[in-house]
Amino acid sequence: DAGVIQSPRHEVTEMGQEVTLRCKPISGHDYLFWYRQTMMRGLELLIYFNNNVPIDDSGMPEDRFSAKMPNASFSTLKIQPSEPRDSAVYFCASRRSGTGRTGELFFGEGSRLTVL
Amino acid sequence: KQEVTQIPAALSVPEGENLVLNCSFTDSAIYNLQWFRQDPGKGLTSLLLIQSSQREQTSGRLNASLDKSSGRSTLYIAASQPGDSATYLCAVPTGANNLFFGTGTRLTVIP
Repeated sequence: DAGVIQSPRHEVTEMGQEVTLRCKPISGHDYLFWYRQTMMRGLELLIYFNNNVPIDDSGMPEDRFSAKMPNASFSTLKIQPSEPRDSAVYFCASRRSGTGRTGELFFGEGSRLTVL
Repeated sequence: KQEVTQIPAALSVPEGENLVLNCSFTDSAIYNLQWFRQDPGKGLTSLLLIQSSQREQTSGRLNASLDKSSGRSTLYIAASQPGDSATYLCAVPTGANNLFFGTGTRLTVIP
């Protein structure tokens, strides 16, 4: 299995530009999570999906952030317009249903976003 | 509200030493606890998952313990190697499907 695949790995953009981050979860995983990691706040959950349906988006910082999961193998996180304080590493993670080892969370390698 | 604390924030040890990383959590109503490793510039890799019904879980040189009543988990690394250098994070479930992460312990194993 290829694992969780994220793109781009690095993105540098100017304030006000639209940013789209992409994620392909592990095949067969029915949960997908978007996290943001910063030095100040650590890892924070932004939103998660179950069977392609957004379940909890309470972590999305503001309306500039939106996420979609049009099918089981693809999700996007969009920031429009971007601001310097959005600079962070954005991780996508996926897992199967279950609370045991079947429910282990697998992370992608992250997308490092820098907004100038 | 769940709080997860990892102390120390950073740790340096010489190669070959055994070491223990600590994780404390305030809400003991958890059904599992997971330990992750994060290398610089990389994502998180799951190391061990301990169910609430278990007290220990082992994988190679790693051994994780869980004491729900005291709100503590430890990750024991035997015979440390330079390749073990990374940040180690513990995480507990919060709500139905979220994981709440500690801030991590940055481990450096000196050759």
